[in-house]
Amino acid sequence: EPEVTQTPSHQVTQMGQEVILRCVPISNHLYFYWYRQILGQKVEFLVSFYNNEISEKSEIFDDQFSVERPDGSNFTLKIRSTKLEDSAMYFCASNGPRGGADYGYTFGSGTRLTVV
Amino acid sequence: RKEVEQDPGPFNVPEGATVAFNCTYSNSASQSFFWYRQDCRKEPKLLMSVYSSGNEDGRFTAQLNRASQYISLLIRDSKLSDSATYLCVVTFSSGGYNKLIFGAGTRLAVHP
Repeated sequence: EPEVTQTPSHQVTQMGQEVILRCVPISNHLYFYWYRQILGQKVEFLVSFYNNEISEKSEIFDDQFSVERPDGSNFTLKIRSTKLEDSAMYFCASNGPRGGADYGYTFGSGTRLTVV
Repeated sequence: RKEVEQDPGPFNVPEGATVAFNCTYSNSASQSFFWYRQDCRKEPKLLMSVYSSGNEDGRFTAQLNRASQYISLLIRDSKLSDSATYLCVVTFSSGGYNKLIFGAGTRLAVHP
């Protein structure tokens, strides 16, 4: 079964440092997403990406965040200057040619980001 | 008001029990409805979609009441392996695609 692959599985970084979280979505999917989950809280939408541009972003996704699809296979989330409150599990997801959550929304196994 | 509201639990039930979870959502324009399952520190995984007509998948039955903006999940004959957090999820169309809006989840613990 096709998978969404995320690396690294765990990243520890110092406050103020830049981090890049990497994702390889399913190859024929067209819509890509980042969600995050702070420990003990709900999964929250960050951003969606289609046709090489952001489709929608949440209030959480401020100027410190950016996304990129640099080479047609990787999909990255960059946090420019990390804060303690950025510590969370970050999930990448993708879905299928027709888009929409009804069409095969698949999550990666997540990157646990710890900011110290 | 929270977009998707669930009882956090935990629900502690013995093996073989029947357990029901409820969920309410605030946006009447929500279009699709799902139950996801999340194991500790893992990604959410789709359990089943939810339709107004009700739908069943083995021991799991889901129901949607659009008028009341209410979603339910019934698990029959609980197994130890059902222990997890169950996430109620709705989608809201925005710009031609859907994003998922998650509830905070209901924890289920099935004991021998």
